Amino acid sequence: DAKTTQPPSMDCAEGRAANLPCNHSTISGNEYVYWYRQIHSQGPQYIIHGLKNNETNEMASLIITEDRKSSTLILPHATLRDTAVYYCIVRVAGAAGNKLTFGGGTRVLVKP
Amino acid sequence: EPEVTQTPSHQVTQMGQEVILRCVPISNHLYFYWYRQILGQKVEFLVSFYNNEISEKSEIFDDQFSVERPDGSNFTLKIRSTKLEDSAMYFCASSVSYNQPQHFGDGTRLSIL
Repeated sequence: DAKTTQPPSMDCAEGRAANLPCNHSTISGNEYVYWYRQIHSQGPQYIIHGLKNNETNEMASLIITEDRKSSTLILPHATLRDTAVYYCIVRVAGAAGNKLTFGGGTRVLVKP
Repeated sequence: EPEVTQTPSHQVTQMGQEVILRCVPISNHLYFYWYRQILGQKVEFLVSFYNNEISEKSEIFDDQFSVERPDGSNFTLKIRSTKLEDSAMYFCASSVSYNQPQHFGDGTRLSIL
């Protein structure tokens, strides 16, 4: 699976949009971009995933660049409960590659 | 919303003892996984399981580890002879299919004394 690079930490203001970047410059054509988060002492929580098109669900939006070498997770209106470590993971779409490889993620602190 | 449940939430065991961690995956899911997270470190993949057999395992998952789906609802991880370095949070996950998102439980904290 391709390696991802994320900033180690970032702060954002409550009520504002949080934009979390991720670089995955070696991504292959059959690799999806997944985002998970881990709130303190809980299990990782699935947020969103995409292949090449932008995606949106009730939690977030995922913007993938046209060359697919980077992506941005957008939390439209951050709340204090969004404070967590956010993981960007690239994963091959296929039976042999269905494990998730977690990096260090971005520690996001939402401030009042 | 259906969720993955894990029991117990905290397990304390003497070194050398066997331990079984239990998970109830989401009911219509067919793929099952175990991960672990040593305190302060990354979440690490251990094993994936489908159709009653292991489909992939990591180097961590050695002969001391085994997994089983003893009935239609439970998925277990057994560590035969625990070591101090097995102390970690163990997360179970499940997915509908191999290319769908994995959903995680809140983990079992395993403490080896």
